[in-house]
Amino acid sequence: AQKITQTQPGMFVQEKEAVTLDCTYDTSDPSYGLFWYKQPSSGEMIFLIYQGSYDQQNATEGRYSLNFQKARKSANLVISASQLGDSAMYFCAMRGRGSQGNLIFGKGTKLSVKP
Amino acid sequence: GAGVSQSPSNKVTEKGKDVELRCDPISGHTALYWYRQSLGQGLEFLIYFQGNSAPDKSGLPSDRFSAERTGGSVSTLTIQRTQQEDSAVYLCASSPTRARGAGELFFGEGSRLTVL
Repeated sequence: AQKITQTQPGMFVQEKEAVTLDCTYDTSDPSYGLFWYKQPSSGEMIFLIYQGSYDQQNATEGRYSLNFQKARKSANLVISASQLGDSAMYFCAMRGRGSQGNLIFGKGTKLSVKP
Repeated sequence: GAGVSQSPSNKVTEKGKDVELRCDPISGHTALYWYRQSLGQGLEFLIYFQGNSAPDKSGLPSDRFSAERTGGSVSTLTIQRTQQEDSAVYLCASSPTRARGAGELFFGEGSRLTVL
């Protein structure tokens, strides 16, 4: 069975500093995709970044990068130069069975950015 | 707008009543998903529709929950004989058929259900 684990219920970071949000996963699928979503207090789910299991390089999207360590089955999100607007819940998710199928989500990490 | 639309945004009902939640996906998206998010929790998968294929109902928590998708577009999630533990935000998402690269899900703003 597939599983996503986020071990940090809450994190604090000083504005302008970098922060790493942890995510580990478990799957027997040889092909899978890993996602990070942001959920502000308003409730909408915002897609941030994607990493395919066969991608050779770590994904980057602006201030977001994904530290993908396949052997360790980890897909940590790194946010550089944190901003107050980054305060939100962050969810790691995984999709197996190629490009179709539902996403399995972790329980999330609440990030608070301090001024 | 052209995003995923859900209604109602808020629903308060009495225990034992039936409720219907509606989702209108992004035009052209053939995959549609329902998730449930209880207060302070992650997203729990409920059901997934892909085109004309039989839906993946593996996440539905009980037979009180059902969903249909008419004409490959709008979907309705029905909860019969609601219980207090059904109180949650119900999120709908859609994605294109042939997901290029990420094939990320596009979420609606959710329907908040409160069962008294």
